[in-house]
Amino acid sequence: GESVGLHLPTLSVQEGDNSIINCAYSNSASDYFIWYKQESGKGPQFIIDIRSNMDKRQGQRVTVLLNKTVKHLSLQIAATQPGDSAVYFCAENRGGGSNYKLTFGKGTLLTVNP
Amino acid sequence: NAGVTQTPKFQVLKTGQSMTLQCAQDMNHEYMSWYRQDPGMGLRLIHYSVGAGITDQGEVPNGYNVSRSTTEDFPLRLLSAAPSQTSVYFCASWPPERTEAFFGQGTRLTVV
Repeated sequence: GESVGLHLPTLSVQEGDNSIINCAYSNSASDYFIWYKQESGKGPQFIIDIRSNMDKRQGQRVTVLLNKTVKHLSLQIAATQPGDSAVYFCAENRGGGSNYKLTFGKGTLLTVNP
Repeated sequence: NAGVTQTPKFQVLKTGQSMTLQCAQDMNHEYMSWYRQDPGMGLRLIHYSVGAGITDQGEVPNGYNVSRSTTEDFPLRLLSAAPSQTSVYFCASWPPERTEAFFGQGTRLTVV
């Protein structure tokens, strides 16, 4: 079936390095792809989204890249900090053009070593 | 702002018991959803609502009921709890024009 999946379940980086978290998707009909961050014991928190007609979008210290040819999404975090340690989920909206149905992948645990 | 409030934070049930997980939001969001999160898995959609009086099933709806009588509240009912329903449950809300969902702090449910 259709799904949003992750290439790596865990990622460990040194403080100050750049992090890249990857995600594969299979539903070409999604309008938006979204990244969420979940800290231990908390609910997920929105980071950034990208519309399906875009290749790249930048936020504060984060960049999302979308490659529709290979159905691949990535989140790049610049100068990773200890506070970035969390589980990162990619998600997509499957509301047929609306945003009412957000579907999440399994998540990647990012650990930042001091 | 309170945002999305879930109660209770923790609950232990015996197999066969019923209960309601509460979710309330004060942002006047039309869209609300319930997810469950199990170890090693992402969030799986249980039920969702696009507005008061309108609900639909998600990916894993069996054993759960919902209703949406007001914009603010979206309770999730477990009809007859089973150990397979042991999980962390998250409620989320967001406006139709956004993809930024606001999540509650979660309810950790254990069924013994």
